[in-house]
Amino acid sequence: SAVISQKPSRDICQRGTSLTIQCQVDSQVTMMFWYRQQPGQSLTLIATANQGSEATYESGFVIDKFPISRPNLTFSTLTVSNMSPEDSSIYLCSVEDLVGHRETQYFGPGTRLLVL
Amino acid sequence: SQQGEEDPQALSIQEGENATMNCSYKTSINNLQWYRQNSGRGLVHLILIRSNEREKHSGRLRVTLDTSKKSSSLLITASRAADTASYFCATAQGGSEKLVFGKGTKLTVNP
Repeated sequence: SAVISQKPSRDICQRGTSLTIQCQVDSQVTMMFWYRQQPGQSLTLIATANQGSEATYESGFVIDKFPISRPNLTFSTLTVSNMSPEDSSIYLCSVEDLVGHRETQYFGPGTRLLVL
Repeated sequence: SQQGEEDPQALSIQEGENATMNCSYKTSINNLQWYRQNSGRGLVHLILIRSNEREKHSGRLRVTLDTSKKSSSLLITASRAADTASYFCATAQGGSEKLVFGKGTKLTVNP
């Protein structure tokens, strides 16, 4: 199974600022996913990030607000731009399981963001 | 939009009892998966059941799938305090690797 780390684990930010979240995987993976989990809610997919191409965003999410980088097969970043209190959420990255079921995903521990 | 809808939203039981959580979905699927999340942390994959399977077991977990009713259930037998977590179903459609998660059931197992 893949081991995924995220930085920072949590942060408190002021509105109007931006935060970049890092996701590091201990093996090379093709697809990485970024999710948002608002307080008490389920996970919503923000975008899919493939190495060497632009991220694919889901409905309701735009690149200007959530720019994503994927410079290599083990690393990705998600930036939450021009933050507002509504962006307070847990942000999680995940990767596909390349060894077992391709359909399952391994998740990082999440980044808990509070915007004041 | 959310695909899966779990019920109940919250479930509180005593250690040793069985816990049953249900998930309904709206469109055709390739498979349905269950994940566990401890206290706002990352999700852990529990079990995957394919659309042509009706039941699957893994340790104390039993998952059923009824594609005619577009529903699935997760049974945890002989529950333990360590099973306290939120449980989510997730579905994958067509050839997509994207998962759509349900709202989740928050399970509390009291010692």
